[in-house]
Amino acid sequence: GAVVSQHPSWVICKSGTSVKIECRSLDFQATTMFWYRQFPKQSLMLMATSNEGSKATYEQGVEKDKFLINHASLTLSTLTVTSAHPEDSSFYICSAYRGLGTNEQFFGPGTRLTVL
Amino acid sequence: AQSVTQLGSHVSVSEGALVLLRCNYSSSVPPYLFWYVQYPNQGLQLLLKYTSAATLVKGINGFEAEFKKSETSFHLTKPSAHMSDAAEYFCAVSETGGGADGLTFGKGTHLIIQP
Repeated sequence: GAVVSQHPSWVICKSGTSVKIECRSLDFQATTMFWYRQFPKQSLMLMATSNEGSKATYEQGVEKDKFLINHASLTLSTLTVTSAHPEDSSFYICSAYRGLGTNEQFFGPGTRLTVL
Repeated sequence: AQSVTQLGSHVSVSEGALVLLRCNYSSSVPPYLFWYVQYPNQGLQLLLKYTSAATLVKGINGFEAEFKKSETSFHLTKPSAHMSDAAEYFCAVSETGGGADGLTFGKGTHLIIQP
């Protein structure tokens, strides 16, 4: 149990286009989902926290208008990178928290974004 | 504010040798601490977590970690390294349990296993 999927697993796009990444909790309902960004050979940095039905909370320094997050249901959160540029190229990882006192986030496999 | 420092971006050990990956944390409240493993181009897998129940925490794949408050450390160990242990390891901290709030990660340690 507690499986989180991401789609797509990798994507290449042209500069200026928008890309949507989906994060799904497959076998549980996630009260909260998180989006992290990982630069090559570096750590994960929390970008934003999203709760179902409410606006996402962004970390300091993360552009809200560039990284649009929607948490439309208890099993789906999406991250849209708008007007992508090469510096947005990164590994994006989501995680989901199902509550019930588990105190654990379950991570998706990540999405590799390359902007040409 | 919370932070994590992992000493050594790369650690190399021989197969069968002891693995020791170091993690020190900073937290204004009693922390929750985690170790994750990441294989290339994959997400993170939880190895173990400290939630104040016991200072010595046993995880998967033969790993364990000991919480030492006096040293603000949570080092990860494994008695005998296996080739399959080669991966990136991240230590993370949370002040609220690690579930409902984002985690703060260290920079990671790349574990290399020499045959």
